[in-house]
Amino acid sequence: GEKVEQHESTLSVREGDSAVINCTYTDTASSYFPWYKQEAGKSLHFVIDIRSNVDRKQSQRLTVLLDKKAKRFSLHITATQPEDSAIYFCAHNTNTGKLTFGDGTVLTVKP
Amino acid sequence: GGIITQTPKFLIGQEGQKLTLKCQQNFNHDTMYWYRQDSGKGLRLIYYSITENDLQKGDLSEGYDASREKKSSFSLTVTSAQKNEMAVFLCASSIEDSTQYFGPGTRLLVL
Repeated sequence: GEKVEQHESTLSVREGDSAVINCTYTDTASSYFPWYKQEAGKSLHFVIDIRSNVDRKQSQRLTVLLDKKAKRFSLHITATQPEDSAIYFCAHNTNTGKLTFGDGTVLTVKP
Repeated sequence: GGIITQTPKFLIGQEGQKLTLKCQQNFNHDTMYWYRQDSGKGLRLIYYSITENDLQKGDLSEGYDASREKKSSFSLTVTSAQKNEMAVFLCASSIEDSTQYFGPGTRLLVL
């Protein structure tokens, strides 16, 4: 079936530095790529998404890049803050409209 | 805005028991989903429903039943709980293939 690989299982950065989380996918028909954040003990919270008609989308300190040729998309967080510490999940839609999720990246922002 | 509520918050069951989890949303979304999240893993889709009385199997439907009684509610039944099973069940809703919004989760422990 369709898979999405989230490359970094853990990521640790210093406060103020940038963090990048990378995902690759196999389904060439995928057109929608959301990112979710899960804080400790809480549910998933939508943070940003990108559709396949663009290759970049920015929302404040978050930027998503999409490389359709390489079937890769990434989340960039600039000027990281301790409250950015969480598990981040990438996902993409399949040809049936369902989302397939990566296994998550545990981001730790150290003061 | 809207909200998704899941009941119960915690569910402790016995091996072989039939257990039911409930989800309600007031977004007026057509599509609802049930996911299972195991520790350190991403989400796996159990069932989804695109409208009242509709049911679609996900990747992990074996061992589960679901029911979409009305547009705002979606129930999941574990048909026979497995000993030592521990997972979080997350309900979500969306408009078609747009952003999914998640509930707080039901934490299951089977003794």
